[in-house]
Amino acid sequence: EVQLVESGGGLVQPGGSLRLSCAASGFTFSSHNMNWVRQAPGKGLEWISFLSFTGNTIYYADSVKGRFTISRDNAKNSLFLEMNSLRAEDTAVYYCATDRHHGDYLRGCSFNIWGLGTMVTVSS
Amino acid sequence: DIQMTQSPSSLSASVGDRVTITCRASETINYFLNWYQQRPGIAPKLLIYATSNLQSGVPSRFSGSGSGTDFTLTISSLQPDDFATYYCQQSYNSPVTFGGGTKVDIK
Repeated sequence: EVQLVESGGGLVQPGGSLRLSCAASGFTFSSHNMNWVRQAPGKGLEWISFLSFTGNTIYYADSVKGRFTISRDNAKNSLFLEMNSLRAEDTAVYYCATDRHHGDYLRGCSFNIWGLGTMVTVSS
Repeated sequence: DIQMTQSPSSLSASVGDRVTITCRASETINYFLNWYQQRPGIAPKLLIYATSNLQSGVPSRFSGSGSGTDFTLTISSLQPDDFATYYCQQSYNSPVTFGGGTKVDIK
């Protein structure tokens, strides 16, 4: 079964750090570009980061640039998001998602497989 | 950044109705426009990619059209499973951006 499972969410104080993981199974993870998308409670979707299947192309939303780092371990079929200097406005469900198109670039990406999400709450 | 504006933000419709949702980009995005459906508490689902291509497994009552800056998602005959929120998304440039969503509920 094709599956993405996020983990690592939780409650953290402002200024703190968390590391999210996304475990992939049922497909060739190493061939797919990957993304993180978040959704604040009651709000819409916000894309936050893209990492190509080669690891050579990375993009971030301005809202997280310099604070968040995306990475992957193709040998372990895993995607990661290191989040530092967390703020209240980072509170959201965080989803990992595969890119349907194949290519070491962002243009044309679409998110065809999504995880269930992991909740991150930033509060004192 | 490319801004994506969806309209309407919500609509009420009945089973069997034809529903049209529009999405406008603040600059041209060629055909790099995708549509997603999200039911409450569940991850989004890709419906249509590259303006008009139906994702595998998505019913044929869903269709997409447009180019440049103006795009449309049409549901030809609304079914009970279709009551959800719909998002457009551009992937022409970074940052990838989503529209604000259109909530379709039961009239």
